[in-house]
Amino acid sequence: NAGVTQTPKFQVLKTGQSMTLQCAQDMNHEYMSWYRQDPGMGLRLIHYSVGAGITDQGEVPNGYNVSRSTTEDFPLRLLSAAPSQTSVYFCASSYNPGGVIPGANVLTFGAGSRLTVL
Amino acid sequence: RKEVEQDPGPFNVPEGATVAFNCTYSNSASQSFFWYRQDCRKEPKLLMSVYSSGNEDGRFTAQLNRASQYISLLIRDSKLSDSATYLCVVSRRDSSYKLIFGSGTRLLVRP
Repeated sequence: NAGVTQTPKFQVLKTGQSMTLQCAQDMNHEYMSWYRQDPGMGLRLIHYSVGAGITDQGEVPNGYNVSRSTTEDFPLRLLSAAPSQTSVYFCASSYNPGGVIPGANVLTFGAGSRLTVL
Repeated sequence: RKEVEQDPGPFNVPEGATVAFNCTYSNSASQSFFWYRQDCRKEPKLLMSVYSSGNEDGRFTAQLNRASQYISLLIRDSKLSDSATYLCVVSRRDSSYKLIFGSGTRLLVRP
């Protein structure tokens, strides 16, 4: 099925460990993004990309790195995990998520990755 | 103050009821507005875009009031399956790629 695939679904890390959350989409969307969702905080944008080779920071980028070598893939790296990074992470893609063209502005999310940092 | 604010609820209503949610946004340069729906422990999904003239999709009606900087979602004839969290989402005129999400309003529809 076409869509956004995230792995892993669950992960437990110790403080200081590193890991990469994988995200892949097969809809040929130029825009991809990573959000984190915490209770009472809503979804907050970590990093986003508007095409291969182009990335930019969102609201809460500290502690995370991204790269976009292909249109399909947008991995999120935690270099040194901290308990404050315990959260649910969502990858999402779109043609233009804030645009006004119906259909093209749909933001399609992956199923989420639940990360616990001890 | 959060850029997008919603009443967290929960709104607890019987089946068949009409329920309305409001969402306020603080940035007057906001351009596009959406309602997303999120089921428990699932990913958000687009419910509907919100247009200046207001728009309707079946039992759902969305309104935008730019002067007062709020958007609303009206659900008529509530179904048990409408139980979910409804997220208000706003994009800025200077960057349609940066969506700002509200914390969500939780709706519980009881039999």
